[in-house]
Amino acid sequence: GQQLNQSPQSMFIQEGEDVSMNCTSSSIFNTWLWYKQDPGEGPVLLIALYKAGELTSNGRLTAQFGITRKDSFLNISASIPSDVGIYFCAGPGSTGFQKLVFGTGTRLLVSP
Amino acid sequence: KAGVTQTPRYLIKTRGQQVTLSCSPISGHRSVSWYQQTPGQGLQFLFEYFSETQRNKGNFPGRFSGRQFSNSRSEMNVSTLELGDSALYLCASSSTANTEAFFGQGTRLTVV
Repeated sequence: GQQLNQSPQSMFIQEGEDVSMNCTSSSIFNTWLWYKQDPGEGPVLLIALYKAGELTSNGRLTAQFGITRKDSFLNISASIPSDVGIYFCAGPGSTGFQKLVFGTGTRLLVSP
Repeated sequence: KAGVTQTPRYLIKTRGQQVTLSCSPISGHRSVSWYQQTPGQGLQFLFEYFSETQRNKGNFPGRFSGRQFSNSRSEMNVSTLELGDSALYLCASSSTANTEAFFGQGTRLTVV
């Protein structure tokens, strides 16, 4: 089945630092979604990518749709304490319906 | 525009009991999907409903079922609860297939 691997698994950084994380797939995706989840809450959609090579920003967040269509990247610039959480990549399953396959997640901790 | 609403937020049930969780999607969204999130397995797709029809189903036993009503609200039911069913159950709504999915806050189910 489809698998999404995220790296790193966790990051502990200082406030103000930039952060990069990535997501790789064993198969081609035509959409990449990035979510952030706070403890005990549902994932919140951050950025959606629809085209290979696409670069999209949302405030301090920037995500890219890899050229091979098998990977995606998320960057956070000038991190702040509220960036703490788990970041998930996701892509549509192979059925064509609304089934998302999620990555394993990157846990981000930010030290003030 | 109100977001996705899940009720209840927390539930404690005993093994062998059954439980029903509710999800109200974003107004105008016709697709509702359900996911189970556990520390060990991550986010796993349960099923998707569109216009009262189940279109897609994940790899879960028949004890897990759902339905969707004409107003797009959805319920999922788990019968004969097992300890391993303890998880955060998340509902997501989408306007059409393969577009962004927006999640509710989830229902935390604990089976004792």
